[in-house]
Amino acid sequence: GAVVSQHPSWVICKSGTSVKIECRSLDFQATTMFWYRQFPKQSLMLMATSNEGSKATYEQGVEKDKFLINHASLTLSTLTVTSAHPEDSSFYICSARDWTGYSPLHFGNGTRLTVT
Amino acid sequence: GQQVMQIPQYQHVQEGEDFTTYCNSSTTLSNIQWYKQRPGGHPVFLIQLVKSGEVKKQKRLTFQFGEAKKNSSLHITATQTTDVGTYFCAGQFTSNSGYALNFGKGTSLLVTP
Repeated sequence: GAVVSQHPSWVICKSGTSVKIECRSLDFQATTMFWYRQFPKQSLMLMATSNEGSKATYEQGVEKDKFLINHASLTLSTLTVTSAHPEDSSFYICSARDWTGYSPLHFGNGTRLTVT
Repeated sequence: GQQVMQIPQYQHVQEGEDFTTYCNSSTTLSNIQWYKQRPGGHPVFLIQLVKSGEVKKQKRLTFQFGEAKKNSSLHITATQTTDVGTYFCAGQFTSNSGYALNFGKGTSLLVTP
């Protein structure tokens, strides 16, 4: 149980275009999902906390107008990278809990974004 | 934000040798979790420590949480090639929005046969 599906696995786009990444909890409801970014051989950096039915909470230094997060239902959160630039190329991973509080995170497989 | 420091960044051992990675926080943690990420994969949950001084074992892996709940360690006895990957500690602070986790930088373990 507790499976998180992330799509797409990889995407290549041109500078200036927008890319949408989907994160779904398949067998549980997630009122909160988390979006992380990981550079090669580096740690996971929390970008934002996605809350179902309300605005996302962004970490300091993360541009909310560039990284649009929508948590439309208890099983789906999306991250849209708007007007992508090469420096946005990275590995984006979503995660969710199957209950609130201090439970472990279940991660999606991640999305490798390359902006040319 | 509050940070979790993790050392060493890299560790290269011969198969059969032991391995330890350490995490430290300047402020008290609500709990600490450990994850393993294989090359090209996503982090996978290993264990969660909640209580002060807690020690948990999973076969050859031993996890400890400090008495002050500010540090933790993961020790692997007699490493195997299947232990290769990056081990992350992740701390949870009561002030974190939505109970988010702050990850350490990870320790990349390489095991040669």
